[in-house]
Amino acid sequence: GAVVSQHPSWVICKSGTSVKIECRSLDFQATTMFWYRQFPKQSLMLMATSNEGSKATYEQGVEKDKFLINHASLTLSTLTVTSAHPEDSSFYICSANTGVFYGYTFGSGTRLTVV
Amino acid sequence: DQQVKQNSPSLSVQEGRISILNCDYTNSMFDYFLWYKKYPAEGPTFLISISSIKDKNEDGRFTVFLNKSAKHLSLHIVPSQPGDSAVYFCAARGSNDYKLSFGAGTTVTVRA
Repeated sequence: GAVVSQHPSWVICKSGTSVKIECRSLDFQATTMFWYRQFPKQSLMLMATSNEGSKATYEQGVEKDKFLINHASLTLSTLTVTSAHPEDSSFYICSANTGVFYGYTFGSGTRLTVV
Repeated sequence: DQQVKQNSPSLSVQEGRISILNCDYTNSMFDYFLWYKKYPAEGPTFLISISSIKDKNEDGRFTVFLNKSAKHLSLHIVPSQPGDSAVYFCAARGSNDYKLSFGAGTTVTVRA
């Protein structure tokens, strides 16, 4: 079946530094990838939609200069949290559209802690 | 504005009994609904889905019911097993939109 690999699974960084999270589709080409953020005991909130070769579409309230998304190939999308602050600490999850109508596969998530 | 709502944050059920999870939505343009299971520190895994042209879909122990007029769907798990203990998310999308809207989740605990 479709597999999405997300790395790292957890990361601790200092305030002011940048962190890159990778999301790879291993056995299929993902024309569309989604990035979510989940706060403790809350829902998954869509941050942005990325399409291969074009600029990401950000949801309202998400700072595009802070959360840089690159979808340079059909199998890789990256989310870079720039100048991270403690309030950026969260669980970030990517998802890829599998190409099958209505099919989605999620990565295993990344726990980001900014100290 | 939360378009998908799961009003029960938690559910405790005895092993072997039925678990019923509820989900309501407000957007009448939604036409496809999905249920996901999620363990802590992991990504959601797909369980079952239903299209708006149906009112029931069954897959093994999991059955999803859709009531379009009430904008309500439910997930039935029977019999419940200890491994079912997890957070369950309801999600929905429209026919012209690839984006999924998620509910807040329901934490299911299956007691032995």
